Amino acid sequence: DVKVTQSSRYLVKRTGEKVFLECVQDMDHENMFWYRQDPGLGLRLIYFSYDVKMKEKGDIPEGYSVSREKKERFSLILESASTNQTSMYLCASSRSRFSEQFFGPGTRLTVL
Amino acid sequence: AQKVTQAQTEISVVEKEDVTLDCVYETRDTTYYLFWYKQPPSGELVFLIRRNSFDEQNEISGRYSWNFQKSTSSFNFTITASQVVDSAVYFCALSEAKNGNNRLAFGKGNQVVVIP
Repeated sequence: DVKVTQSSRYLVKRTGEKVFLECVQDMDHENMFWYRQDPGLGLRLIYFSYDVKMKEKGDIPEGYSVSREKKERFSLILESASTNQTSMYLCASSRSRFSEQFFGPGTRLTVL
Repeated sequence: AQKVTQAQTEISVVEKEDVTLDCVYETRDTTYYLFWYKQPPSGELVFLIRRNSFDEQNEISGRYSWNFQKSTSSFNFTITASQVVDSAVYFCALSEAKNGNNRLAFGKGNQVVVIP
């Protein structure tokens, strides 16, 4: 079974802090994704990566950056956390173009 | 413009009733893929089904069935004889071939509540 893990289930940070969210997949998938999920807004794509060191902006990249130094790991970085970044963050991976995405358990981030 | 519309926000049913979730999508691409995911209270999205635009056959998997109709741009999902464990948010999603990169456009989701 595909396994996507995220470093924390719950995280509380203060405004202005630099925040790292880590995601690891164990199935040698090419593509990895970061979404945020908010009530009434559904899932929105922040960034994705289709190869090591490659990244592309999604629909809401402002305030975020990403890093993919190894194929299995995709990190989401909040350079200076703000309260409007309080959300559920979901990581996903997929084998190839048009294949299904597999999701991690999510990280619920609260920025105070 | 929203590419995937799931009109019913919350649906409540009594256990053993059937429930159908509507998904209407919008695309100009001739090659695309449709997905359904389940998000139980634990929060992790679980993949249910993937269907490509050239395969209009309906699919049944246990108590789950899907009806794909290109003529109406719909990919509806039915849970037969619902159970309490079916309580979750269900998302429909679309991936267009022109994107070439597996981006998914999600609908807003249907919250299904199964009452024992």
